[in-house]
Amino acid sequence: DQQVKQNSPSLSVQEGRISILNCDYTNSMFDYFLWYKKYPAEGPTFLISISSIKDKNEDGRFTVFLNKSAKHLSLHIVPSQPGDSAVYFCAATSDRGSTLGRLYFGRGTQLTVWP
Amino acid sequence: NAGVTQTPKFRILKIGQSMTLQCAQDMNHNYMYWYRQDPGMGLKLIYYSVGAGITDKGEVPNGYNVSRSTTEDFPLRLELAAPSQTSVYFCASGVGGTDTQYFGPGTRLTVL
Repeated sequence: DQQVKQNSPSLSVQEGRISILNCDYTNSMFDYFLWYKKYPAEGPTFLISISSIKDKNEDGRFTVFLNKSAKHLSLHIVPSQPGDSAVYFCAATSDRGSTLGRLYFGRGTQLTVWP
Repeated sequence: NAGVTQTPKFRILKIGQSMTLQCAQDMNHNYMYWYRQDPGMGLKLIYYSVGAGITDKGEVPNGYNVSRSTTEDFPLRLELAAPSQTSVYFCASGVGGTDTQYFGPGTRLTVL
């Protein structure tokens, strides 16, 4: 049973425009959310995170929005660049009160940014 | 500082064969994790370790074993390979809690 869902397997955006990647979750115990980026033949790398006590976190061109009532988060990339082309994974954890940090991942969204 | 390293990069196994996937990290992280990623799917946790000598099962542990004798190394053992274990395996490490995990480049395993 997929607790973290990324329903769009792919997204294609023109360079300079905004990319919006969406993620839904079903487990109301999740209280910390992360986005990872993955290039082919490499492992995922951490991109940005957000705690459930916030509704927005920004880091340069990347902003993550969290809507707890809808159990939905989104990653905005503005402006999109060709180097952003990668698979983006949404991940969540309910281990905030412990030290484990076990992550549950979505299936990923392939972002393609074209010139 | 190499981060998280994994060997081998690729491997083809026959059904019933055994192998060990190696993982090492040089960041002195206590926490280490093994994930598998099947085509079109997200990463699923196989096993994890919170320190040397301590391991526990994740979501999909069947068919695998782990050990953690040092802080640096966290090998994953497949005893009797099955086609269902065809996947890409990622090792990760971190300081625990909600801090980010650092992933290795992965091992692509095919069982025929």
